[in-house]
Amino acid sequence: KAGVTQTPRYLIKTRGQQVTLSCSPISGHRSVSWYQQTPGQGLQFLFEYFSETQRNKGNFPGRFSGRQFSNSRSEMNVSTLELGDSALYLCASSFGTQVGYGYTFGSGTRLTVV
Amino acid sequence: GENVEQHPSTLSVQEGDSAVIKCTYSDSASNYFPWYKQELGKRPQLIIDIRSNVGEKKDQRIAVTLNKTAKHFSLHITETQPEDSAVYFCAASKSFQKLVFGTGTRLLVSP
Repeated sequence: KAGVTQTPRYLIKTRGQQVTLSCSPISGHRSVSWYQQTPGQGLQFLFEYFSETQRNKGNFPGRFSGRQFSNSRSEMNVSTLELGDSALYLCASSFGTQVGYGYTFGSGTRLTVV
Repeated sequence: GENVEQHPSTLSVQEGDSAVIKCTYSDSASNYFPWYKQELGKRPQLIIDIRSNVGEKKDQRIAVTLNKTAKHFSLHITETQPEDSAVYFCAASKSFQKLVFGTGTRLLVSP
């Protein structure tokens, strides 16, 4: 079966712009989580969605937002981009309601802000 | 909030040796502890996990141990092979609300 698909794979944006990243979970998976991965901070939790509802949110500014659609696909948006937002953004999906249990990660979107 | 510390940050071993990576968590209510392997340029992949009601779990050359009293858990890899070279992340979760990751250990296995 298809894995977790993230698009696009690479993005280059300018400071001040906004960006939207997409994540399609494994078929049947209803929980989608987003993580930011940087060399210095490792993997930091952004937020998690289940059945179109945000259930958990990490410690990121309000410029980071997300949503989930009825087909479980999820998008995250970053507005007013800063240089420090350059990172690999990973989404992970899981089948049940237990966040993190049996996560399957996507390949990520590498965002570069210049 | 929950914090997970991971050591060492880099580990070099010879092929056939054992490797041990240790993590310490701060929230005693944490009850799920997975380990992920991330090869260069690839996605993190779950390699083994353990719940708080179990003290040890093995899967072929990989084992994880959990000491709830000391709030630490460890990954043990025996008979290491060059393909084990990767970055390994531990994580902890309380009531499956989110995963808090350690900062990663870069394992290098030399032939």
